[in-house]
Amino acid sequence: QVQLVQSGAEVKKPGSSVKVSCTASGDTFFTIYSITWVRQAPGQGLEWMGRIILISGTTIYAQRFQGRVSITADESTSTAYMELSSLRSEDTAVYYCARVPIASNWFDPWGQGTLVTVSS
Amino acid sequence: SYVLTQPPSVSVAPGQTAKITCGGNNIGSQSVHWYQQKPGQAPVLVVYDDSDRPSGIPERFSGSNSGKTATLTISRVEAGDEADYYCQVWDSSSVHTGDHHFVFGSGTKVTVL
Repeated sequence: QVQLVQSGAEVKKPGSSVKVSCTASGDTFFTIYSITWVRQAPGQGLEWMGRIILISGTTIYAQRFQGRVSITADESTSTAYMELSSLRSEDTAVYYCARVPIASNWFDPWGQGTLVTVSS
Repeated sequence: SYVLTQPPSVSVAPGQTAKITCGGNNIGSQSVHWYQQKPGQAPVLVVYDDSDRPSGIPERFSGSNSGKTATLTISRVEAGDEADYYCQVWDSSSVHTGDHHFVFGSGTKVTVL
């Protein structure tokens, strides 16, 4: 049973960057999936940010994050990363990674979430 | 961009049936997926491809999708079903603009009375 384990909570200053990791365990076929990133601001709904197709390294980002987000992956450690730059207070949220099966469009399983707080 | 509309809240008595709707333009031609999110926890997939259940999800959870509305039905509701529920699709129309993206509904809070 695959599990996605994310890095710990972060506190960042406005204008800085944050990099969150997502490591898959219990799965020897890391590259046959995509990893997607979703965030949830306090008391708000889910917002899709982007995905990386692991077998090709292709990345696709939501328009509103274009230029600010970068999703990468390291196959050797079965780890995906999401880096968000030029942070502002509105980026305070829980960031989740999730696995997307190839040729499918649902997210399962999800990581436990990483709280990123942007505050001066 | 594609918009999915969900009612903010649904209340249901234990043992009764809860229906959560997800509206979208021609959503019947899309594959709809549903997630359950309990407070302080990550979302969990409960229905995928309109009506399929992942292993471990009770049969009480079912889905349908036709026309302009997809529906998640929870039969014989239990106290443990109290959670936020989100629908999600891949916006296939975005392919033509080069912007392949996923869309979530705004979420429905299910309260068990």
